[in-house]
Amino acid sequence: GAGVSQSPSNKVTEKGKDVELRCDPISGHTALYWYRQSLGQGLEFLIYFQGNSAPDKSGLPSDRFSAERTGGSVSTLTIQRTQQEDSAVYLCASSSPGTGRSYNEQFFGPGTRLTVL
Amino acid sequence: DAKTTQPNSMESNEEEPVHLPCNHSTISGTDYIHWYRQLPSQGPEYVIHGLTSNVNNRMASLAIAEDRKSSTLILHRATLRDAAVYYCILRSYNTDKLIFGTGTRLQVFP
Repeated sequence: GAGVSQSPSNKVTEKGKDVELRCDPISGHTALYWYRQSLGQGLEFLIYFQGNSAPDKSGLPSDRFSAERTGGSVSTLTIQRTQQEDSAVYLCASSSPGTGRSYNEQFFGPGTRLTVL
Repeated sequence: DAKTTQPNSMESNEEEPVHLPCNHSTISGTDYIHWYRQLPSQGPEYVIHGLTSNVNNRMASLAIAEDRKSSTLILHRATLRDAAVYYCILRSYNTDKLIFGTGTRLQVFP
């Protein structure tokens, strides 16, 4: 079946502009995650949605970053007043619910490469 | 969140076994040990996870020390396609959130 999809695949913007990045999770997956990966670095957790629960926003680096998940499916990550240090690959992942003894792996999308000039 | 320590890089020859170590001395009793890998220009993919006992699947084996302060991911016969960054991650039992470290970059030579 279809995997996690993200759009756009590449985004070039000017410093100070707002950007929106989209993630379409795998159908039926109730958990959705956003990460970012700067050049040559590991993944940095940003935010986590699980069903109807309040999202875990503990990884958002500043109040310029926000994310929504509408209807429990598609998610949008918004970065306001972009800065050059926001340049990175933004990765989305989804999974079926599972905590404790049960764990369902995260499936990652191909990412959106954001370049802030 | 408990931390993991991995070597920055490792090398292997094709068709040889590879043992990727991970130290997690501050692991709590309810932390699960996860491994993901990231192939070049792709998002990470799940490899294996465990709690206390050793685990085997079609991709790899996970050997967990008796005191759980370290673990080893074992690729039984490395292939060129196994060249990737391997991340060892601790996950608390009460969340699905993963906190990635910097991982080990595995190079496989023909």
